[in-house]
Amino acid sequence: GAVVSQHPSWVICKSGTSVKIECRSLDFQATTMFWYRQFPKQSLMLMATSNEGSKATYEQGVEKDKFLINHASLTLSTLTVTSAHPEDSSFYICSARSRTASILHFGNGTRLTVT
Amino acid sequence: QKEVEQNSGPLSVPEGAIASLNCTYSDRGSQSFFWYRQYSGKSPELIMSIYSNGDKEDGRFTAQLNKASQYVSLLIRDSQPSDSATYLCAVESGGSYIPTFGRGTSLIVHP
Repeated sequence: GAVVSQHPSWVICKSGTSVKIECRSLDFQATTMFWYRQFPKQSLMLMATSNEGSKATYEQGVEKDKFLINHASLTLSTLTVTSAHPEDSSFYICSARSRTASILHFGNGTRLTVT
Repeated sequence: QKEVEQNSGPLSVPEGAIASLNCTYSDRGSQSFFWYRQYSGKSPELIMSIYSNGDKEDGRFTAQLNKASQYVSLLIRDSQPSDSATYLCAVESGGSYIPTFGRGTSLIVHP
């Protein structure tokens, strides 16, 4: 089955620093990738949708200058949390789909803790 | 605003029983429907997808779709403690390819 690899699985950083999360599709070309954030006992909150080679489309209320998304190739998308603060601590999950498939494939998620 | 509603639960069922999870959606143009299972601290994994009215069975799981009533359900037969998780319903409108997720229903299967 299709595999999406997300790294790192967990990261602890100091307030004010930046963190980059990678999402790779290992055996298919991900024309679209989605980035979600999930707080404890809450549902998935879509942050942005990115299509290969174009700028990401951010959901309302998500700061595009704080959460930088790059989808430069058909197999890699990155989310950079800039100047992280404790309130950014959350579970970040990427998902990917190919042009021909309707099914989303999720990465294993990244647990971010900002101290 | 497209909405997907689920009862947050928890839904508690005894081992071996049938667990019934329900989901309603607001957008009549929705065409693709998915059920995901999410264990605590893990990312969602796909259980079932359904696109047309009626039932779709896969092992112990049955998805039921009724577009006229705008609901989709998931039945889990012979529930096992390992089925204890949060079940997320996701709905996509035709052409958008962006799924809208419900808040999820917590299922607890007790021995």
